[in-house]
Amino acid sequence: QITLKESGPTLVKPTQTLTLTCTFSGFSLITSGVGVGWIRLPPGKALEWLALIYWDDDKRYSPSLRSRLTITKDTSKNQVVLTMTNMDPVDTATYFCTHSRVPPYSHYGVDVWGQGTTVTVSS
Amino acid sequence: DIQMTQSPSSLSASVGDRVTITCQASHDISKYLNWYQQKPGKAPKLLIYDASNLETGVPSRFSGSGSGTDFTFTISSLQPEDIATYYCQQYDRGFGQGTRLEIK
Repeated sequence: QITLKESGPTLVKPTQTLTLTCTFSGFSLITSGVGVGWIRLPPGKALEWLALIYWDDDKRYSPSLRSRLTITKDTSKNQVVLTMTNMDPVDTATYFCTHSRVPPYSHYGVDVWGQGTTVTVSS
Repeated sequence: DIQMTQSPSSLSASVGDRVTITCQASHDISKYLNWYQQKPGKAPKLLIYDASNLETGVPSRFSGSGSGTDFTFTISSLQPEDIATYYCQQYDRGFGQGTRLEIK
């Protein structure tokens, strides 16, 4: 059974850097076709895709947030870390860690989600 | 950068109604379009992948179609438990703006 769990601060101040950790089980991020990513849901707004890291260490970022995001993996710890710099109140959201795969190993689409962690940006 | 335009942004329908949501991509994405359902306080759930393939365990009243840039999501007979916000997603990346579905 695949599970993912997000951890990190619930409150950050404007201009600070947010570091979120996704700890997962039930799969390995060295398995071909696997990706772990981050998606957020601001209150009252739409889902926003942030970043993805794949089994081969390929990394993809949202074009609008690319300059502020870094995604890394630690396969020995089964963890993926997302950092977001220069936080602003508009970054207040629930942040989800996700598991997905890519063709030809499987189909696109997030098949497993973490429970989400709420981050508030306020002074 | 591929933009996804989803419509309508909200929709009110009666139990038993046929409901349709559309999603348009700014560039050709072939068949690589997913549909999700999100209920308040819960993580989204994948319903359809590759434009028209039903995820395992998803009721058959949900369906999808389309390719290239134009896609459609349909609920053939709306049930009370279908009240949620629905999103389209291209590949494993960006989402549409969401459609909030309510019961009349």
